[in-house]
Amino acid sequence: DTEVTQTPKHLVMGMTNKKSLKCEQHMGHRAMYWYKQKAKKPPELMFVYSYEKLSINESVPSRFSPECPNSSLLNLHLHALQPEDSALYLCASSQAVPGGVGYTFGSGTRLTVV
Amino acid sequence: SQKIEQNSEALNIQEGKTATLTCNYTNYSPAYLQWYRQDPGRGPVFLLLIRENEKEKRKERLKVTFDTTLKQSLFHITASQPADSATYLCALTQGNSWGKLQFGAGTQVVVTP
Repeated sequence: DTEVTQTPKHLVMGMTNKKSLKCEQHMGHRAMYWYKQKAKKPPELMFVYSYEKLSINESVPSRFSPECPNSSLLNLHLHALQPEDSALYLCASSQAVPGGVGYTFGSGTRLTVV
Repeated sequence: SQKIEQNSEALNIQEGKTATLTCNYTNYSPAYLQWYRQDPGRGPVFLLLIRENEKEKRKERLKVTFDTTLKQSLFHITASQPADSATYLCALTQGNSWGKLQFGAGTQVVVTP
């Protein structure tokens, strides 16, 4: 299995809702990432997990809460989002080694906050 | 501040020709540089990685060069096909670290028959 699977593919939520994005991979990758991408912009790094521990938080607002329950799963919990948080949320995974490795991305969750 | 710059204008090219894309960076000392392809509404797909001690890397019709003196990478698609139409993203990290992979804004390539 060489894929990163993200669910749901599309999500519409109100500003008072609580929702979660899910990401799964079975490639044995021990690094997992959340990126946010707005239209016509590059992906922006949000969080990095290494061996199930949060290693990088790029000053993301607390209304985004990541979780890594095990080496195959990564969640992003959403609460009290703003309309400007509407974007494509991408999950990626890679080997957790220095020296440069390519990332495998999922197809993303298209989030709309109303 | 750290910057990764790619040509924001779309590159329109005729089928069969070579497309050449540029990635320039400032305030980075990367040990390696990566290129990704992204189709609309999809996640990026990893294409190639080139290390600082490699001048050139090839994969099928793709060729990447990396000049750490000029702080520039060139990405070539030879014998381009309409299926190559997509946005191509340059990405790198500081030094030999991993985890903080940052992306350029990408260059859209449109290959016409």
